[in-house]
Amino acid sequence: GQQLNQSPQSMFIQEGEDVSMNCTSSSIFNTWLWYKQDPGEGPVLLIALYKAGELTSNGRLTAQFGITRKDSFLNISASIPSDVGIYFCAGRDSWGKLQFGAGTQVVVTP
Amino acid sequence: GAVVSQHPSRVICKSGTSVKIECRSLDFQATTMFWYRQFPKQSLMLMATSNEGSKATYEQGVEKDKFLINHASLTLSTLTVTSAHPEDSSFYICSASRLAWDTDTQYFGPGTRLTVL
Repeated sequence: GQQLNQSPQSMFIQEGEDVSMNCTSSSIFNTWLWYKQDPGEGPVLLIALYKAGELTSNGRLTAQFGITRKDSFLNISASIPSDVGIYFCAGRDSWGKLQFGAGTQVVVTP
Repeated sequence: GAVVSQHPSRVICKSGTSVKIECRSLDFQATTMFWYRQFPKQSLMLMATSNEGSKATYEQGVEKDKFLINHASLTLSTLTVTSAHPEDSSFYICSASRLAWDTDTQYFGPGTRLTVL
């Protein structure tokens, strides 16, 4: 089956620093999605990418859909305390099914 | 926005009992609903996909007789964990899509924490 590798597993950063995380896949996806999950809650969609090479921003978040369609990255600029949480990448296949990465836990210290 | 609710948010039950979890799309009609489970500190794993009025499609390794899914209307899907055991304790999350499987975003519910004693 398809394998999604997300890294890093966790990040401890100071407020104001930038954060980068990425996902790679052994197979091609039609869509890449980035979600944030707070403890005890469902994932919330941050950014959706639909075309290879697409670069999309949402406030301090920027994500790109890799040219090969097998990878994506997410950047968070000027982190703030409320950025704390677990970030998941997800690839959507042609059947509409999502496969999630293992998640990146972000901890922001003042 | 597209809001998906789940009920209950938490449930504790005795081993051997059955538990029903509801997933509702509050402000849109969901052609397709998905059920995931998430163990602590792990990612979401798709359990099954259901279309309104059709039988659910289960992922490999998911027992359909144990995890009964009903998608009776365009706004409601239910997951029943039958004869629950402690190893079924997990965080169950549903999601819903407005349109056909391959054309729309999934909106996630807030999850249901199941603890089986």
